[in-house]
Amino acid sequence: DAGVIQSPRHEVTEMGQEVTLRCKPISGHNSLFWYRQTMMRGLELLIYFNNNVPIDDSGMPEDRFSAKMPNASFSTLKIQPSEPRDSAVYFCASSPDGGSGNTIYFGEGSWLTVV
Amino acid sequence: AQSVTQLDSQVPVFEEAPVELRCNYSSSVSVYLFWYVQYPNQGLQLLLKYLSGSTLVKGINGFEAEFNKSQTSFHLRKPSVHISDTAEYFCAVSDPAAGNNRKLIWGLGTSLAVNP
Repeated sequence: DAGVIQSPRHEVTEMGQEVTLRCKPISGHNSLFWYRQTMMRGLELLIYFNNNVPIDDSGMPEDRFSAKMPNASFSTLKIQPSEPRDSAVYFCASSPDGGSGNTIYFGEGSWLTVV
Repeated sequence: AQSVTQLDSQVPVFEEAPVELRCNYSSSVSVYLFWYVQYPNQGLQLLLKYLSGSTLVKGINGFEAEFNKSQTSFHLRKPSVHISDTAEYFCAVSDPAAGNNRKLIWGLGTSLAVNP
């Protein structure tokens, strides 16, 4: 079975450019997460969708970050304009509904470097 | 508020030696507990989880963890590690009363380095 699919795997961009990260969750999963991982702050939840609706975006760092989920099989995380401090690994993850004991399935990550 | 502390940021160990990765949590209520593993350049995947029942939980790749409510701990163990176990290990906790897992609280991770 296909897992969570993310693209691009690696991106190097210049400061000020727009970055779009893409995610295809596991079919049938109702919950979708965007996480950011850095050495300094560890794993941070940026935004959580349930049934394609953003439920919790309290982790989005600032207005430069936005996320959408137009349908059950696709989500994007956009950074505009990008800054060097946005350099991190961004993970998309999905989970079936049913409570806080469910396993979260992660994609392989998008490694972003902003120079 | 719940929190998770992984007591060791790095654990070096020789191949075939036993290992214990420590995790403590703070919570005054019942919890669900998880260990995830992140191999180099990959995403996280579930090793094991405790939801209820037996306090000794067995996971993939020969790992196990024991839930100790009185010590609020959930330490991860393996009796004999392999080079391929080199990875980052994350402990996490959630509230069973929560309707979903967006409030999962993550530890900062323990880097396990298995040397030949």
